[in-house]
Amino acid sequence: GDSVTQMEGPVTLSEEAFLTINCTYTATGYPSLFWYVQYPGEGLQLLLKATKADDKGSNKGFEATYRKETTSFHLEKGSVQVSDSAVYFCALTPRVNTGGFKTIFGAGTRLFVKA
Amino acid sequence: DVKVTQSSRYLVKRTGEKVFLECVQDMDHENMFWYRQDPGLGLRLIYFSYDVKMKEKGDIPEGYSVSREKKERFSLILESASTNQTSMYLCASSSVWTGNTIYFGEGSWLTVV
Repeated sequence: GDSVTQMEGPVTLSEEAFLTINCTYTATGYPSLFWYVQYPGEGLQLLLKATKADDKGSNKGFEATYRKETTSFHLEKGSVQVSDSAVYFCALTPRVNTGGFKTIFGAGTRLFVKA
Repeated sequence: DVKVTQSSRYLVKRTGEKVFLECVQDMDHENMFWYRQDPGLGLRLIYFSYDVKMKEKGDIPEGYSVSREKKERFSLILESASTNQTSMYLCASSSVWTGNTIYFGEGSWLTVV
């Protein structure tokens, strides 16, 4: 079945460091890919998404490119801030046009950014 | 903006009590979900619904039931709460018409004592 694997955390970085969180997936067809972020004490919210191969999603300085050849959707940011400390979830949704689908989430990667 | 509202942020219930967690979304989404989130286990899908009065079991439905009588409202019911149901519960909604992005509520922290 479909699955998402992301790097285990926690990841600890100093402010202004470069961030990469790896995410790979297994799916049939052409799923949509997402990164969600969860700040302390809150629910998840969409960070960025990509719906087809070679698409790049971007938001708040974060980027991820849908790589079908490597089945990957790695999250990157050039210069992290303390306010980026959160848990990041990679996810995929099968490409369907009817109900009954399930979004598959990775286990989450906790990021700590030190001042 | 889509808003998913969960009725209670923090609840403390006793073992054996019947617990209702309510969720309302305001964007006419056809899909609604209940997840629980536990440290080290990530998000686990309990139930989802893709239409009024429709429900599908997720990965961990045991000990839970759901109700969707109206499109905007999706309720999670713990028939007889147990301590192993102490967790953070997240409600969410989505629509194929908005690219299947999932919109989450802020979560309900349930403690069963």
